[in-house]
Amino acid sequence: NAGVTQTPKFQVLKTGQSMTLQCAQDMNHEYMSWYRQDPGMGLRLIHYSVGAGITDQGEVPNGYNVSRSTTEDFPLRLLSAAPSQTSVYFCASRGTSGYEQYFGPGTRLTVT
Amino acid sequence: KQEVTQIPAALSVPEGENLVLNCSFTDSAIYNLQWFRQDPGKGLTSLLLIQSSQREQTSGRLNASLDKSSGRSTLYIAASQPGDSATYLCAALSGNTGKLIFGQGTTLQVKP
Repeated sequence: NAGVTQTPKFQVLKTGQSMTLQCAQDMNHEYMSWYRQDPGMGLRLIHYSVGAGITDQGEVPNGYNVSRSTTEDFPLRLLSAAPSQTSVYFCASRGTSGYEQYFGPGTRLTVT
Repeated sequence: KQEVTQIPAALSVPEGENLVLNCSFTDSAIYNLQWFRQDPGKGLTSLLLIQSSQREQTSGRLNASLDKSSGRSTLYIAASQPGDSATYLCAALSGNTGKLIFGQGTTLQVKP
């Protein structure tokens, strides 16, 4: 199993540009989520999905879109990048037995 | 609203020392509590998962305990090594919202 994979590992955007952060898991987990990690703020939930076709907002959803067309993939879209979105983004999935969370390696995003 | 707090924020110990990291949460309605390790610039690695019905879990030199009634969990590291240097995060899975709430982490440095 590859677990949770994320691409790209690093990205630099200019203000106003859009992009999609990719996340995939091969564990057949229904629940997937996106977090951002910022110094002094810890990890904060952006969006989550309880299954294909079902998504919901987390703590800091503004400026981000998600969709879930398959169980495996959960992409995060930045519609119009802003410097405040400079952060490290983590994707996670959760099993149904014990609800253990598995995290991807992260995407380090800089918006200039 | 669930809040998770970790004390201390940073800890420096000599090699070989036994140490305890603390995690407290405000809402005892949790499914589980999970401890993670994060190395600089890396993702989160799951260390231990304690279900709400359990009191402790052990893996090698690590032992995590959970006391729901007092809203506390501890991570005990025996015979610390320089390779244990990292940031340790605890996260509580809320039984009310199904969301994972993180503490700010404890950054551990083990000196040779």
